[in-house]
Amino acid sequence: SQTIHQWPATLVQPVGSPLSLECTVEGTSNPNLYWYRQAAGRGLQLLFYSVGIGQISSEVPQNLSASRPQDRQFILSSKKLLLSDSGFYLCARKKGLAGLTGELFFGEGSRLTVL
Amino acid sequence: QKEVEQDPGPLSVPEGAIVSLNCTYSNSAFQYFMWYRQYSRKGPELLMYTYSSGNKEDGRFTAQVDKSSKYISLFIRDSQPSDSATYLCAGLTGGGNKLTFGTGTQLKVEL
Repeated sequence: SQTIHQWPATLVQPVGSPLSLECTVEGTSNPNLYWYRQAAGRGLQLLFYSVGIGQISSEVPQNLSASRPQDRQFILSSKKLLLSDSGFYLCARKKGLAGLTGELFFGEGSRLTVL
Repeated sequence: QKEVEQDPGPLSVPEGAIVSLNCTYSNSAFQYFMWYRQYSRKGPELLMYTYSSGNKEDGRFTAQVDKSSKYISLFIRDSQPSDSATYLCAGLTGGGNKLTFGTGTQLKVEL
């Protein structure tokens, strides 16, 4: 199974409030995990990726952070949301051992609206 | 300049038409190229991937890569209403961990 669970599916938050989005995956251990954001007209933007527990690489400096407390858990957080944080957040994992081909499985996403 | 460029559309075609979706890219290090399909309010799903230049066919779908011109194409034959979705192209460097996506092209196949 390559199932990826994301929650919450939808949320509306005021500017300045904190954020926590959770992603858990099933399947092989030690997967490469990714957080992408999809905003209108901007495509999929890689935010963070992780190759193991506690190992986080940040791609875009911003007010978001990520953590990987367990092998199959990836969390996206913010202490204070901005309007520009609105978007569709997607968690993804690399397919099995086929790491070089870039095949990613995506979750169903979390849609965030910051007001 | 974005590393991967795509016309956002929307592209509207009648059922049964041949669809051509295209991307250009600027990163010469890309060796793997992917096409993802994304239905509304869903996560993207991988359609096809190719390595380096050449063609790859899978049913009604054909992916084409021309590295000399940095051009990526996806052809859909006998298009169906169920093909209506956003199509995202992406590139990956060899051994890389990061896919770089285009903005996606919205396709509508009408009855």
